[in-house]
Amino acid sequence: EAGVVQSPRYKIIEKKQPVAFWCNPISGHNTLYWYLQNLGQGPELLIRYENEEAVDDSQLPKDRFSAERLKGVDSTLKIQPAELGDSAVYLCASSLTGNEQFFGPGTRLTVL
Amino acid sequence: TQLLEQSPQFLSIQEGENLTVYCNSSSVFSSLQWYRQEPGEGPVLLVTVVTGGEVKKLKRLTFQFGDARKDSSLHITAAQPGDTGLYLCAGAETSGSRLTFGEGTQLTVNP
Repeated sequence: EAGVVQSPRYKIIEKKQPVAFWCNPISGHNTLYWYLQNLGQGPELLIRYENEEAVDDSQLPKDRFSAERLKGVDSTLKIQPAELGDSAVYLCASSLTGNEQFFGPGTRLTVL
Repeated sequence: TQLLEQSPQFLSIQEGENLTVYCNSSSVFSSLQWYRQEPGEGPVLLVTVVTGGEVKKLKRLTFQFGDARKDSSLHITAAQPGDTGLYLCAGAETSGSRLTFGEGTQLTVNP
């Protein structure tokens, strides 16, 4: 069974540019999460989806971050415009029961 | 906001040694999970503990959940280089709710 797929794996952009990350969860997993992980720290939740509904987006900086999961499967996380402090690893995870989360490899973003 | 503190932050040991990593909070958790993360990969779930005082063993790894469900420990016996990685604890306030992660313990096991 394929795991959580994320792309791109790496992205380097200049500040003020837009960037988008894509996630394909494990087939059948209704719950999808986006996390931000800074170097040497644990992941921090940005947003959680139940099917196509964002049920927890309280940690998402909505002035520059947006996310969508239109058909309740794939999801896209966007940053516009990116800032230097956005450099981090963006992790996507999916879950069937909500008790065990399966993580993708992440997208490492570098903002110059 | 719940806060999970892990200690030590860094640990470098020789192959064959034993070690313990701690995860502490002032909050009560419904469940607590331990993950291991290798460079360039996402965290992988090792274990979930849900009952105060619970002890779970996974080969050379022993996980314990505190009686008050506020803290946990991970003990590794006879560490091997393959155990190297970032160990993260994560707690859930209620079943299926948001996970709060600790900052992790970076373990290096030298051959």
